[in-house]
Amino acid sequence: DAKTTQPTSMDCAEGRAANLPCNHSTISGNEYVYWYRQIHSQGPQYIIHGLKNNETNEMASLIITEDRKSSTLILPHATLRDTAVYYCVQTDSWGKLQFGAGTQVVVTP
Amino acid sequence: DGGITQSPKYLFRKEGQNVTLSCEQNLNHDAMYWYRQDPGQGLRLIYYSQIVNDFQKGDIAEGYSVSREKKESFPLTVTSAQKNPTAFYLCASGGSGETQYFGPGTRLLVL
Repeated sequence: DAKTTQPTSMDCAEGRAANLPCNHSTISGNEYVYWYRQIHSQGPQYIIHGLKNNETNEMASLIITEDRKSSTLILPHATLRDTAVYYCVQTDSWGKLQFGAGTQVVVTP
Repeated sequence: DGGITQSPKYLFRKEGQNVTLSCEQNLNHDAMYWYRQDPGQGLRLIYYSQIVNDFQKGDIAEGYSVSREKKESFPLTVTSAQKNPTAFYLCASGGSGETQYFGPGTRLLVL
């Protein structure tokens, strides 16, 4: 079973920041949080991952709370091409990914 | 061009037939994975391999088989024992314990 919980859906206006929350209250000290997104009928695309520090790359920023029980993915300037299902994924003790149903993000003009 | 390729993009299976889905990677990754995705759902792990000639069952391995004879290749066979094979199948690869990267997927349909 998935170890993370996310909102089912959210809307975002084009050009605005999109903040996607995720709860992972059962995460242990050596388990990472990964974010992927999936555009319809395509393979998931890796976005970013982190352990306990905040991370930033060319696609997004990842903010992890100090207790590591939740995180937020930030898309700084959403575009229409960012419309996708976003998965917050926790690794298990063997390093395998445990996917939930994700958040459907719709970016509107 | 580096990456993960899956073929075919669409595959049709008749009742009682075994079909094999191809997955190739040229990223020099040790680990490879097969996932199944049903409509509106997340991905579920079928099989994974962390090294050549070795593989382990994932969460939903029944009705599937794999082989890992080469580092670059990890084919998945959907056997006739899999009674509900219609799904989107995704292959991924990664360094051991590192980020997984996904292929474009194969959609399997039953005739």
